[in-house]
Amino acid sequence: GAGVSQSPSNKVTEKGKDVELRCDPISGHTALYWYRQSLGQGLEFLIYFQGNSAPDKSGLPSDRFSAERTGGSVSTLTIQRTQQEDSAVYLCASSLSSGTRPAEQYFGPGTRLTVT
Amino acid sequence: DQQVKQNSPSLSVQEGRISILNCDYTNSMFDYFLWYKKYPAEGPTFLISISSIKDKNEDGRFTVFLNKSAKHLSLHIVPSQPGDSAVYFCAASDRGGGSNYKLTFGKGTLLTVNP
Repeated sequence: GAGVSQSPSNKVTEKGKDVELRCDPISGHTALYWYRQSLGQGLEFLIYFQGNSAPDKSGLPSDRFSAERTGGSVSTLTIQRTQQEDSAVYLCASSLSSGTRPAEQYFGPGTRLTVT
Repeated sequence: DQQVKQNSPSLSVQEGRISILNCDYTNSMFDYFLWYKKYPAEGPTFLISISSIKDKNEDGRFTVFLNKSAKHLSLHIVPSQPGDSAVYFCAASDRGGGSNYKLTFGKGTLLTVNP
């Protein structure tokens, strides 16, 4: 079956431009996560969607970052007025409902964002 | 403030020998721990996990040990194979904190298994 897919795989943008990153989760997975991995760092939690519940946006680093998940499936992460420090690999993951223990998260290949 | 630390950025072992990857954490509220493996240009894949009520969990060649008093866990791979060469991330969760989905990751350790 298809795994988590992300597009584009690579994105180079100029400082100040807006970018949109897309994530297609595994069909049937109700939970969706966005992470960011900057150079030499671990994965940094950004945002979490679970079904129709309000998303947990506590990891978003600034108000330039936003994400939505339409129809409980596809998600888009938008970064407005990009800065050089936004350069990173943005990873999306999905899982079945998290339940009482951290659900096994299935990751996409990531989008490498470079802000010049 | 790094709550999950993987102090060895890299590790090199011979094929057939044991690989031991270490992870330390500072948040005593963490009660569930996971290891992920990542190949270049791919997303991380789940490997093995352990709850804080256990001190050992084994799955084939992979064993995770948890020492709660020392806030330390380790992943043992025996025997190591060249295909195990990847970056290994340690992650932790505070299930009691109401956000059991939120994982805190270490920076990763690059394991190289030499034939």
